[in-house]
Amino acid sequence: NAGVTQTPKFQVLKTGQSMTLQCAQDMNHNSMYWYRQDPGMGLRLIYYSASEGTTDKGEVPNGYNVSRLNKREFSLRLESAAPSQTSVYFCASSVGLAGGSETQYFGPGTRLLVL
Amino acid sequence: GNSVTQMEGPVTLSEEAFLTINCTYTATGYPSLFWYVQYPGEGLQLLLKATKADDKGSNKGFEATYRKETTSFHLEKGSVQVSDSAVYFCALSAGYKLSFGAGTTVTVRA
Repeated sequence: NAGVTQTPKFQVLKTGQSMTLQCAQDMNHNSMYWYRQDPGMGLRLIYYSASEGTTDKGEVPNGYNVSRLNKREFSLRLESAAPSQTSVYFCASSVGLAGGSETQYFGPGTRLLVL
Repeated sequence: GNSVTQMEGPVTLSEEAFLTINCTYTATGYPSLFWYVQYPGEGLQLLLKATKADDKGSNKGFEATYRKETTSFHLEKGSVQVSDSAVYFCALSAGYKLSFGAGTTVTVRA
């Protein structure tokens, strides 16, 4: 039982390049999330997927797209990377939406540097 | 909107010292409150939570009480260890998402 896994662990991009961050969970959770973590700002929600087949914008969706490929996998795509997207990206999952007392389970993160 | 404010760090303590990290929140309705911990090089993991007023969450010697009258959820531990060195995040759950505080870095020295 690996929990939430993310690939890659670290990536360097040049401005304008594209890439996809992969996330998978093996806990049979319905809901999945993408966050970015920046110094002094905590975690901010980029996109979330309440259930397979649905995706919705979070607080900071500009410059990103997501795909809920199946129940296990939720990918985050940067179409044209910008230096402002330099951050640590975390994927998380929960049994249901985090509207009540649901616990979210986090992956180890992807550190992205955009030059 | 919903927001969480937690004390700024970094906090540096000696082993066996008492730790308090203050957290206050602004929310409509009755959110659930959480403390997450992030150890170096890892993702966040749930430390404890409380779902209604006056509930006390506890885990690994840490405690926090949901105080609606003061809109607070302060984290405490009576005797910290070096292994408690981490970043601690206070968060509230309302609607569809978690709102996180900025995080407090705690370093415990032997």
